[in-house]
Amino acid sequence: SQQGEEDPQALSIQEGENATMNCSYKTSINNLQWYRQNSGRGLVHLILIRSNEREKHSGRLRVTLDTSKKSSSLLITASRAADTASYFCATEGGSNYKLTFGKGTLLTVNP
Amino acid sequence: EAGVVQSPRYKIIEKKQPVAFWCNPISGHNTLYWYLQNLGQGPELLIRYENEEAVDDSQLPKDRFSAERLKGVDSTLKIQPAELGDSAVYLCASSRLEGEQFFGPGTRLTVL
Repeated sequence: SQQGEEDPQALSIQEGENATMNCSYKTSINNLQWYRQNSGRGLVHLILIRSNEREKHSGRLRVTLDTSKKSSSLLITASRAADTASYFCATEGGSNYKLTFGKGTLLTVNP
Repeated sequence: EAGVVQSPRYKIIEKKQPVAFWCNPISGHNTLYWYLQNLGQGPELLIRYENEEAVDDSQLPKDRFSAERLKGVDSTLKIQPAELGDSAVYLCASSRLEGEQFFGPGTRLTVL
């Protein structure tokens, strides 16, 4: 079963624009992670934000977490064609370190 | 450091045939995961190992799926017999404990 749900399902932007993806989840979490998956390749970890954190930055990535609304957002600034990929949020909750993934947002950055 | 290695990358079999996937995790990672990813979906956990012990196999269809992690390093996931609905990408991941998981490239299984 999927815990997280990304929005939008698909996003198409021009190179240089910012891309924002949202993730909503249902149960309490220890942390929330974002992963990227290029076509035909494995998932790559982007960033982890803990439940007691509200915002985190990594390069061109900015993640926010609102535990009261059970939602997170991933912002990619100054997008590049190489950012074209599917982006998944994954929540880790409980004591078993289990990651539960959403269905993903397909981002297309047009050159 | 070397990443998670999986083989084969692609496998095509007839239904009712057996199939096995192999995974070699990153050195030093005690935790190993097998995920199933259907087209257009996120990965779903099948089984998680802490060293040799399967600590979460609640999502593994035990009537046809089995897994082992001998000596707490490499792991093998087996399906016997395969069904049409098993066509998917099977991902292996490893981690130290909590937090970031490192994924292999996956095995794309097609059951005809």
